[in-house]
Amino acid sequence: AQTVTQSQPEMSVQEAETVTLSCTYDTSESDYYLFWYKQPPSRQMILVIRQEAYKQQNATENRFSVNFQKAAKSFSLKISDSQLGDAAMYFCAYRRRGETSGSRLTFGEGTQLTVNP
Amino acid sequence: KAGVTQTPRYLIKTRGQQVTLSCSPISGHRSVSWYQQTPGQGLQFLFEYFSETQRNKGNFPGRFSGRQFSNSRSEMNVSTLELGDSALYLCASSIQAQGRITEAFFGQGTRLTVV
Repeated sequence: AQTVTQSQPEMSVQEAETVTLSCTYDTSESDYYLFWYKQPPSRQMILVIRQEAYKQQNATENRFSVNFQKAAKSFSLKISDSQLGDAAMYFCAYRRRGETSGSRLTFGEGTQLTVNP
Repeated sequence: KAGVTQTPRYLIKTRGQQVTLSCSPISGHRSVSWYQQTPGQGLQFLFEYFSETQRNKGNFPGRFSGRQFSNSRSEMNVSTLELGDSALYLCASSIQAQGRITEAFFGQGTRLTVV
């Protein structure tokens, strides 16, 4: 079974600074997806960024980028120029690739990010 | 395009009762998944439906069930409610086409409180 671990229950960052959230996972599969989702106080899960395991290049989305280390099974999220609106719970998630695997996500425990003005 | 809609947003039920939650996916999305979120257990997968068939099931007791209709709308049912069923229930939809599955788009959830 796949597991996802986020070892930082809470993190804080000053506005405009950079913060990195950590995530490790365990799987015997070679082809899969990894995601970072953000859950603000409204509780709606919002996709931040996705990474396909077969792609060596790290994904980036504006101020958000990942450091994907497949051999180490590590998938960290870097937020640059942090903004007050980035404050939320961040979840790392894993999904097997393949039609028969469906869209089932395995989530980590989450990291609560506070952005200080 | 409208997002994933979950109804109701909030619900209070008594132990022993049953409850039905509804999820309308994004138009064109045929895969619907359900998750339970609690402070103690985090986010746990309940089940996934695709084309009216349950494709995946998480490790939950048989009191938790679901179904999907021909228009892709899904319902989940919890019978004989227990205090521990109090949680935020999240629904997510995604497209499956040509062997690819898009990322999941989530609704705002239904907050169920069992008293």
